Amino acid sequence: SQTIHQWPATLVQPVGSPLSLECTVEGTSNPNLYWYRQAAGRGLQLLFYSVGIGQISSEVPQNLSASRPQDRQFILSSKKLLLSDSGFYLCAWSGLAVYNEQFFGPGTRLTVL
Amino acid sequence: ELKVEQNPLFLSMQEGKNYTIYCNYSTTSDRLYWYRQDPGKSLESLFVLLSNGAVKQEGRLMASLDTKARLSTLHITAAVHDLSATYFCAVPEDYGNKLVFGAGTILRVKS
Repeated sequence: SQTIHQWPATLVQPVGSPLSLECTVEGTSNPNLYWYRQAAGRGLQLLFYSVGIGQISSEVPQNLSASRPQDRQFILSSKKLLLSDSGFYLCAWSGLAVYNEQFFGPGTRLTVL
Repeated sequence: ELKVEQNPLFLSMQEGKNYTIYCNYSTTSDRLYWYRQDPGKSLESLFVLLSNGAVKQEGRLMASLDTKARLSTLHITAAVHDLSATYFCAVPEDYGNKLVFGAGTILRVKS
């Protein structure tokens, strides 16, 4: 069966510091991968998605970036965090065999102080 | 641009009562997804509705899809406290890989 991991689970960072969040998927090949952000009490905002290694689509202009160095690894980065980057970051995957249903990882809660 | 609207956004209900959450979307789609999110947790897939007239049931929850009306409903029967959570519907954009989520319905079931 497929599983999706995210780390770290919780992160507290000062404004202006760099960020690296990692997401990995097991048990499937060539998944579509997604990064979402959920601000407190709000809905989900799609940040990036990827259909293959090195292929990244950005949905919202911001100071975040994403990379997919391996088939089942998706990384979210920032060079300098802003207060507004605080939130719950969710990684998700989907595959053609499951009608593009997206399955979510456990999430990373980021607080920028 | 696809818009997905849920209502109500907040629902407080007594145990044992029935209620329906509505999800409307603005452009044609043949699929719709429902997710549940417990406080502080990630999203869990509840239902995948793949065609007009599709109906899925799991325990006290039943979801349906009317693609002609661009409407999905999530019906709660005889609510229990364990159903307290936030429920999201999501619709694929342009039949593609991206999902557009509704704002979510916060459900609180009171004893």
